[in-house]
Amino acid sequence: GNSVTQMEGPVTLSEEAFLTINCTYTATGYPSLFWYVQYPGEGLQLLLKATKADDKGSNKGFEATYRKETTSFHLEKGSVQVSDSAVYFCALIHSNSGYALNFGKGTSLLVTP
Amino acid sequence: DAGVIQSPRHEVTEMGQEVTLRCKPISGHDYLFWYRQTMMRGLELLIYFNNNVPIDDSGMPEDRFSAKMPNASFSTLKIQPSEPRDSAVYFCASSLGRGKLFFGSGTQLSVL
Repeated sequence: GNSVTQMEGPVTLSEEAFLTINCTYTATGYPSLFWYVQYPGEGLQLLLKATKADDKGSNKGFEATYRKETTSFHLEKGSVQVSDSAVYFCALIHSNSGYALNFGKGTSLLVTP
Repeated sequence: DAGVIQSPRHEVTEMGQEVTLRCKPISGHDYLFWYRQTMMRGLELLIYFNNNVPIDDSGMPEDRFSAKMPNASFSTLKIQPSEPRDSAVYFCASSLGRGKLFFGSGTQLSVL
């Protein structure tokens, strides 16, 4: 079946450091890929998405590129801020799973001043 | 729009009691999802509806769980009887089309 694997957290970085959170997926064909973010005490929010191979999703300084050859969708940001502290979820949706998103287990990020 | 509204925000109950979680989706959205979040298992899809009709309930853990959507603006998730292992955060989400889900703030359920 379809699945998403994320790197284990927590990830702790100093402000202005470079961020990478790894995400790989298992699916046949071409799923759509997403990153969601969950701030403390809140529900998940869509951060960015990519719907086909080589697409780059970007938002709020975050980027992720859909790599079909490595089945990956790694999240990156050049300079993190304290306000980026949250849990980040990689997810996919595929036509063979209807309209249901499959989420990874989440990666907790803590940015310190 | 106020977004997806869930109630209650917190629920503490004793084992064996009935628990009802409520959700109001964003107006105009035609999909509604119920997810459960725990540290051990992460986010699990329990059930989702399209135009008020249940499409996939394969994630519902067992017969103690039931979900309804009597109209486009309201859904419930009921657990009867509740057990301590049901303790989790339950999220409702809605969408129009594929992929962009809007989540509520969740219900933190504690079953003692």
